[in-house]
Amino acid sequence: DGGITQSPKYLFRKEGQNVTLSCEQNLNHDAMYWYRQDPGQGLRLIYYSQIVNDFQKGDIAEGYSVSREKKESFPLTVTSAQKNPTAFYLCASTQKGQGIRYTFGSGTRLTVV
Amino acid sequence: AQSVTQLDSQVPVFEEAPVELRCNYSSSVSVYLFWYVQYPNQGLQLLLKYLSGSTLVKGINGFEAEFNKSQTSFHLRKPSVHISDTAEYFCAVSDSGNEKLTFGTGTRLTIIP
Repeated sequence: DGGITQSPKYLFRKEGQNVTLSCEQNLNHDAMYWYRQDPGQGLRLIYYSQIVNDFQKGDIAEGYSVSREKKESFPLTVTSAQKNPTAFYLCASTQKGQGIRYTFGSGTRLTVV
Repeated sequence: AQSVTQLDSQVPVFEEAPVELRCNYSSSVSVYLFWYVQYPNQGLQLLLKYLSGSTLVKGINGFEAEFNKSQTSFHLRKPSVHISDTAEYFCAVSDSGNEKLTFGTGTRLTIIP
């Protein structure tokens, strides 16, 4: 079955370390998104990519970086510049031009200690 | 730019009672509207969506929502809730020419046995 795989499900890191969250999809979707979820704040868009080798900042891009070297993969790096990195991170994808049908991964919970 | 307001952060409801989760949006253009459900530590699952046509939209798990353009609302309803409906519910909006979603802050639905 096609879907989005986020790994790992739980991630612990020491303060000041960069960490990369994986997001892989086998849906052949063009567009991919990263959201951050905090209690009471809903989902906020970090970065998105509509095509390979191109991506745009979302509403809260500071302290994060992404790459899109392959259509299937959209890794997110949480850098040491992100002041409050502990959160639940969700990856999503959608196929352009076929209406808005988002598929979400099951998320990665990052805890920085 | 569009925005979504979910005024109720938590809604407790007795089992088999009806429920309404409120969602209001603001946008200067035509919109698509969505309701998603999230179970603990999981991704989001689409409940229903309004793109065009009939303003009453039926979704999965017995949920329905009504698009009211004059009141800029898209409230979610279920006539009789079950324990398994305990989850967080997110309303989301996209302007009809753009595939980016803007989410509300979520409503936590708790079913009381």
